Amino acid sequence: AQKITQTQPGMFVQEKEAVTLDCTYDTSDPSYGLFWYKQPSSGEMIFLIYQGSYDQQNATEGRYSLNFQKARKSANLVISASQLGDSAMYFCAMRGYNNNDMRFGAGTRLTVKP
Amino acid sequence: EAQVTQNPRYLITVTGKKLTVTCSQNMNHEYMSWYRQDPGLGLRQIYYSMNVEVTDKGDVPEGYKVSRKEKRNFPLILESPSPNQTSLYFCASSFSRGLSGYTFGSGTRLTVV
Repeated sequence: AQKITQTQPGMFVQEKEAVTLDCTYDTSDPSYGLFWYKQPSSGEMIFLIYQGSYDQQNATEGRYSLNFQKARKSANLVISASQLGDSAMYFCAMRGYNNNDMRFGAGTRLTVKP
Repeated sequence: EAQVTQNPRYLITVTGKKLTVTCSQNMNHEYMSWYRQDPGLGLRQIYYSMNVEVTDKGDVPEGYKVSRKEKRNFPLILESPSPNQTSLYFCASSFSRGLSGYTFGSGTRLTVV
């Protein structure tokens, strides 16, 4: 069975600083994808970044990077130079190659302070 | 614009009154899913569909029905809604199984009183 754990229900960061949101996972699938989504207060789910389990390099998308440590089964999201608009709920998710289900963590609410 | 369209965005209904939440995608995706989001639980899959006329249960299917008569549409049906189905619902689609991410609809906030 697949499981995603986000241990930080809430996080605070000062504007312009970097922040790391933690995510650990458990799966028996040899091939899988890891995803991060942002959910602002308006409610929609916005895709941020993807990491494949066989990718050699950590994924980056603008100010977002994914710190992927396969042996530790962790896929932390790093947001550099935080902005007020980054305040939102962030979900880590995983999908196995042979799986129809994308599993989500419970989420981390990030608040960026001015 | 490539998108998943859900309707309605907000719905308040009474216990036992049948309702349907519609979902449509214009990306020719094979896979579609319904999720519900509850505080502290993240998103949990209700039902999914791998193609037309092929559907299967997710983690929390009780009290819900789905159908996939056309590739683009995947409605969620609550035959007899109960207050414990008050939640935020998302429809999502993906091109294929496995390593493809989902594109999500805007969500439907349902309140059952």
